[in-house]
Amino acid sequence: GEEVAQTPKHLVRGEGQKAKLYCAPIKGHSYVFWYQQVLKNEFKFLISFQNENVFDETGMPKERFSAKCLPNSPCSLEIQATKLEDSAVYFCASSQSGTGGDEQFFGPGTRLTVL
Amino acid sequence: SQQGEEDPQALSIQEGENATMNCSYKTSINNLQWYRQNSGRGLVHLILIRSNEREKHSGRLRVTLDTSKKSSSLLITASRAADTASYFCATVPNSGYSTLTFGKGTMLLVSP
Repeated sequence: GEEVAQTPKHLVRGEGQKAKLYCAPIKGHSYVFWYQQVLKNEFKFLISFQNENVFDETGMPKERFSAKCLPNSPCSLEIQATKLEDSAVYFCASSQSGTGGDEQFFGPGTRLTVL
Repeated sequence: SQQGEEDPQALSIQEGENATMNCSYKTSINNLQWYRQNSGRGLVHLILIRSNEREKHSGRLRVTLDTSKKSSSLLITASRAADTASYFCATVPNSGYSTLTFGKGTMLLVSP
């Protein structure tokens, strides 16, 4: 598509439950990025993919967080055993290239609320 | 280390006035980008300035980059109420990865 699509728009989970978020990048974009925005300010980079391969995972929490980009499927970000501090808006972005700093196009985000 | 620190944190102006936001960063960059976020929405890309550029214009936006001071500014001229939003700068390092490192943003309120 012409826009980055993210689903669901809102997700509410009890502490300890699993959360799974989806992202469909713009058609033709090879790179997908996940960012976490807490409290309407800071954006934290989580992970990026080049097609189905992990490109940069330096921001990814080692425990509980995992992500995948499989061929012909939306990319996904999964949080096992959610905690209160995981409450945030999770943004996905895509770009044509992963180096050289091409513009990243952002999706509308998924708001995760952990109760 | 924190990249892309914007100031001011909040800015309140009247329609028609100019708004200037500043951003400082710490490490060597490939480029710096400015984004806008309306309340509860995703990020909208405004402008990208590369490390070898000093100034760039797009409509009512003017961005400057001073790599010696590791700082950038975003000027919005003749502001409108619709410009009310949070503005973020984000840097892309020279490391080869396109990971964006964002600052905390400037919240701009333009009153009619």
